[in-house]
Amino acid sequence: AQTVTQSQPEMSVQEAETVTLSCTYDTSESDYYLFWYKQPPSRQMILVIRQEAYKQQNATENRFSVNFQKAAKSFSLKISDSQLGDAAMYFCAYFSTSGTYKYIFGTGTRLKVLA
Amino acid sequence: NAGVMQNPRHLVRRRGQEARLRCSPMKGHSHVYWYRQLPEEGLKFMVYLQKENIIDESGMPKERFSAEFPKEGPSILRIQQVVRGDSAAYFCASSPPVLQGYEQFFGPGTRLTVL
Repeated sequence: AQTVTQSQPEMSVQEAETVTLSCTYDTSESDYYLFWYKQPPSRQMILVIRQEAYKQQNATENRFSVNFQKAAKSFSLKISDSQLGDAAMYFCAYFSTSGTYKYIFGTGTRLKVLA
Repeated sequence: NAGVMQNPRHLVRRRGQEARLRCSPMKGHSHVYWYRQLPEEGLKFMVYLQKENIIDESGMPKERFSAEFPKEGPSILRIQQVVRGDSAAYFCASSPPVLQGYEQFFGPGTRLTVL
């Protein structure tokens, strides 16, 4: 069974600085998707970025980028120029394309942004 | 295009009562997923439904929990004889028939409190 591990329960970053959130996963599959979701205090789950496993190029969305290391099964999220609105819980999620159709989430990292 | 809607947003029940949580997927979406989030944890998959069919209920507790997605109307997650351990946030997500990028769109969640 697939597992997702986020080893950083909490991280802090100074406003305008860069922070990296870690995620590792375990799978025997070769084709899958990885996601980062943001959950602010409102609890609404918001998609931040998505990576297709068969694509070697790291995904980028404005200030958010990933470092996807398929062999190491690592999928970290880098947030550049951090803003106060980035403060939230961040969840890494694995999605199998083999037909299970469910996300497997990590336990989350709480990001604090310091003014 | 309205997003995924869930109601109620907050639900308080006494032990032994029934809880009914509703989810209206985005327009054009025929796939619905239910996830449960315990305090300070990530979301855990419960069940995946298509119209009138349960596709995967591997995350559902065997007793007291049931889900449906009728031909007309919202998807319902039903918890009978609630216990304190059922207190959690329950999220519904939906996706279109053709899974583009495998993104699931989340509702705002229902926070269930069992007294």
